[in-house]
Amino acid sequence: DGGITQSPKYLFRKEGQNVTLSCEQNLNHDAMYWYRQDPGQGLRLIYYSQIVNDFQKGDIAEGYSVSREKKESFPLTVTSAQKNPTAFYLCASSISQGAGQPQHFGDGTRLSIL
Amino acid sequence: SQQGEEDPQALSIQEGENATMNCSYKTSINNLQWYRQNSGRGLVHLILIRSNEREKHSGRLRVTLDTSKKSSSLLITASRAADTASYFCATAGIRSGAGSYQLTFGKGTKLSVIP
Repeated sequence: DGGITQSPKYLFRKEGQNVTLSCEQNLNHDAMYWYRQDPGQGLRLIYYSQIVNDFQKGDIAEGYSVSREKKESFPLTVTSAQKNPTAFYLCASSISQGAGQPQHFGDGTRLSIL
Repeated sequence: SQQGEEDPQALSIQEGENATMNCSYKTSINNLQWYRQNSGRGLVHLILIRSNEREKHSGRLRVTLDTSKKSSSLLITASRAADTASYFCATAGIRSGAGSYQLTFGKGTKLSVIP
């Protein structure tokens, strides 16, 4: 079955450490997205990529970095500059970014501080 | 911001009853989408309604859109315990300064269906 796989499901970060969240899709979608979800909140856009080797900052990009070297993969690194990283991180993809296409989501990674 | 805002924040109903959730937004949109999120899981796309459409149905779901009032509603008929989840509206509009479309999500309505 086609879908989006996020790993790991749970991740713990020590002070001063960078951690990388994995996101892989086999839907052949061009566009991919990273969102952050805090308790009782909606989703906030961190980064998005419309095509391979291109990505753009979202609304809360500070303290995060991404790469898009392959169509299938869009890893997110939470750097030590992100002072409040505890949250639920969701990766999504869509056929394209044109005209607000529906997005398909992975099952998330829950990041906590040790 | 064109963020959608859902109302109510939480809703508790008996199995078999209908559930209605509302969404309001602030700026012009290309379309509006509804998503469901089960606890600890990712979002699942339910239905999309375009700005030139007024009503859309999918199974037990009915969505309406009133662009003059900048509001939408999601009706779930004959609710089941399995419908227990959070429901989010997402508005699709041009991302300022980028020229590309963005989905902006509201904070969601938490629906509990009691067996």
